[in-house]
Amino acid sequence: QKEVEQNSGPLSVPEGAIASLNCTYSDRVSQSFFWYRQYSGKSPELIMSIYSNGDKEDGRFTAQLNKASQYVSLLIRDSQPSDSATYLCAVKGPGGTSYGKLTFGQGTILTVHP
Amino acid sequence: DTEVTQTPKHLVMGMTNKKSLKCEQHMGHRAMYWYKQKAKKPPELMFVYSYEKLSINESVPSRFSPECPNSSLLNLHLHALQPEDSALYLCASSQLGQAVTDTQYFGPGTRLTVL
Repeated sequence: QKEVEQNSGPLSVPEGAIASLNCTYSDRVSQSFFWYRQYSGKSPELIMSIYSNGDKEDGRFTAQLNKASQYVSLLIRDSQPSDSATYLCAVKGPGGTSYGKLTFGQGTILTVHP
Repeated sequence: DTEVTQTPKHLVMGMTNKKSLKCEQHMGHRAMYWYKQKAKKPPELMFVYSYEKLSINESVPSRFSPECPNSSLLNLHLHALQPEDSALYLCASSQLGQAVTDTQYFGPGTRLTVL
């Protein structure tokens, strides 16, 4: 079982729709969860972080965390063509031997078509 | 300001060359990271420095040699690389390695091609 799994995609949504990206993780003691956006040929850019159960909203982005289900998601409202990118889910453990280490999912390619 | 800079942007080297990648941050972060990313794959952690000391080496071949001269700088020395080492090399930094809210910010990367 992969440590961090994302919906395989690619995901294609029309402009203005809601894009839903999902991620599950296997390590129950994980405490920190991040979504990075990566445009083709560029480096990952942090768009959301979440640490507590529930929803966290930032503009058009909402991250949702459910630790009991080991599930984290990212919703993008009013999707724009500029949101077309690969979205990476990253999970960090509590420290110790996993000191500072992010475990990434394989990424979901999102395409927003006009 | 969450800027991490990396030089050079692109690097082409032969298998017998020695070269270095450089990374710099002025955010006062005390943890710095090297990642390697192949096409269509997520970043893979190579090294972590915390308070200028190497804290994680993910079993990286010795032809990659990291160095942290001070809290703002991170180098990756390359020697006798193989064509399969061609990838995007990413540097990241974070304020404090272990805290729950500690967040890694990535630099723009160096695109390395080994001929």
